[in-house]
Amino acid sequence: QVQLQESGPGLVKPSETLSLTCTVSDASINTYYWAWIRQPPGKGLEWIGHMTYSGSPSYHPSLKSRVSITLDASHKQFSLKVNSVTAADTAIYYCARNRQDPDDTFDIWGQGTEVIVSS
Amino acid sequence: DIQVTQSPSSLSASVGDRVTITCRASQNIGIYLNWYQLKPGKAPNLLISATSRLHSGLPSRFSGSGSGTDFTLTISGLQPEDFATYYCQQSYDTPLTFGGGTKVGVK
Repeated sequence: QVQLQESGPGLVKPSETLSLTCTVSDASINTYYWAWIRQPPGKGLEWIGHMTYSGSPSYHPSLKSRVSITLDASHKQFSLKVNSVTAADTAIYYCARNRQDPDDTFDIWGQGTEVIVSS
Repeated sequence: DIQVTQSPSSLSASVGDRVTITCRASQNIGIYLNWYQLKPGKAPNLLISATSRLHSGLPSRFSGSGSGTDFTLTISGLQPEDFATYYCQQSYDTPLTFGGGTKVGVK
C-alpha cells in the first residue's frame, strides 16, 4: 500500500513563503495526479490544487496567484509553495493521491502537517 | 464554483444506530460525489466514490446513494471506530469542493 508523508516547517512568518513536500513511498508518482488539500482550524476541507504526471497543474482560482505545485519524480516527491502568506493560510495541509480511474477521488492521503502563520 | 451543502453539521449516536448524512450540490453533478472519513491525527480515508462504490476493503455497513443534486451516506449499525467526521466532495468540476463536514459523536 503506497504511503504519503508531508514535511516542512510548522511555523511561517506573515508575507513569507510556505513550502511543503510530500514523499511518495513507491514509483507510482509517474502514474497518478497528486494533490494538496488544507483544513483551516475549525473549518472544512479546501482543495488547493493538483499536478498531473505529465506536468500540468490545476489550482483553486482563489489561490492561483500565490500557489505552485511541482513534481520531482526522481525523488518521488511533489511540493507545494504558497507565497505571501497571512494568518488565513494557517491550516493542516494534506497531500493526497488524486486517482482518476475508476473514479476521480483522493484515494490515499498523508496524515497532514500543521502550518501556523505567525510572527 | 459548485457549492456542496452537508447536513447535519454534527449528530450524536450510539453504537448500533443507523446514521444518515446528506449532501446537496448547487447544480447537477450526476454521480460525481465522494465520501471521506477524518479522524484527528490520522490520514483521511476514502469511503465511497461515484455516489455508491464502496472503497476496497471497507465494511458493507457504509453505503451511498443519490444522483443529480442530492446524496446520502448511510452507516448501518454504527461501530465504535466510526465516531469521526465525514465529508462529501464533488468531482464533477474544478475547483473540486467539499461539504462542510458532519461530526458523528457519542450520545
